[in-house]
Amino acid sequence: ETGVTQSPTHLIKTRGQQVTLRCSSQSGHNTVSWYQQALGQGPQFIFQYYREEENGRGNFPPRFSGLQFPNYSSELNVNALELDDSALYLCASSLASRNYGYTFGSGTRLTVV
Amino acid sequence: AQSVTQLGSHVSVSEGALVLLRCNYSSSVPPYLFWYVQYPNQGLQLLLKYTTGATLVKGINGFEAEFKKSETSFHLTKPSAHMSDAAEYFCAVSEEEGGSYIPTFGRGTSLIVHP
Repeated sequence: ETGVTQSPTHLIKTRGQQVTLRCSSQSGHNTVSWYQQALGQGPQFIFQYYREEENGRGNFPPRFSGLQFPNYSSELNVNALELDDSALYLCASSLASRNYGYTFGSGTRLTVV
Repeated sequence: AQSVTQLGSHVSVSEGALVLLRCNYSSSVPPYLFWYVQYPNQGLQLLLKYTTGATLVKGINGFEAEFKKSETSFHLTKPSAHMSDAAEYFCAVSEEEGGSYIPTFGRGTSLIVHP
């Protein structure tokens, strides 16, 4: 059973640029969620995808967008990067209708300069 | 709306001592409760979960937690701390909404273990 894999592991971008983060979900999982974890904070929910549709969104602006693909992998896109976007971005997969907890990837550390 | 409060941003114990990490939740419906652990520069790993049934839940690495509805608490304990337990611990609550379960996390408690 493969876990959740995220790429890249680290990324440095300049303010105003755009970034795409990628996530492969755990085998058998059909739901993907993205979280932002600022330094010293708990993960904050960005959005969730199920069957390629967004089915839940946290308090993040529209410049945070995502995609889920037929194989349940996912992308997180952030436009017009701001310094406060610097954080660890976590992808988590789960099986819809089964609240057995999420399986998290190791995250992508994004630094905006 | 659901929310989680973790009491104490840092907890310091000696190796071999009891570990107690506190978590209180707010939920409008019967909640699902979780504890996750995060080691430096890594993602979150599920320690244990409460969904239904027995209120005392056992997890990995010798941790357990007890769901107390009357106190809206889900505190995490371990009888004897080990140096390898030093990490960040997150309590989370989720409710079913529109067929999906989206956990809300607390701010985390950093467990420090002294030799």
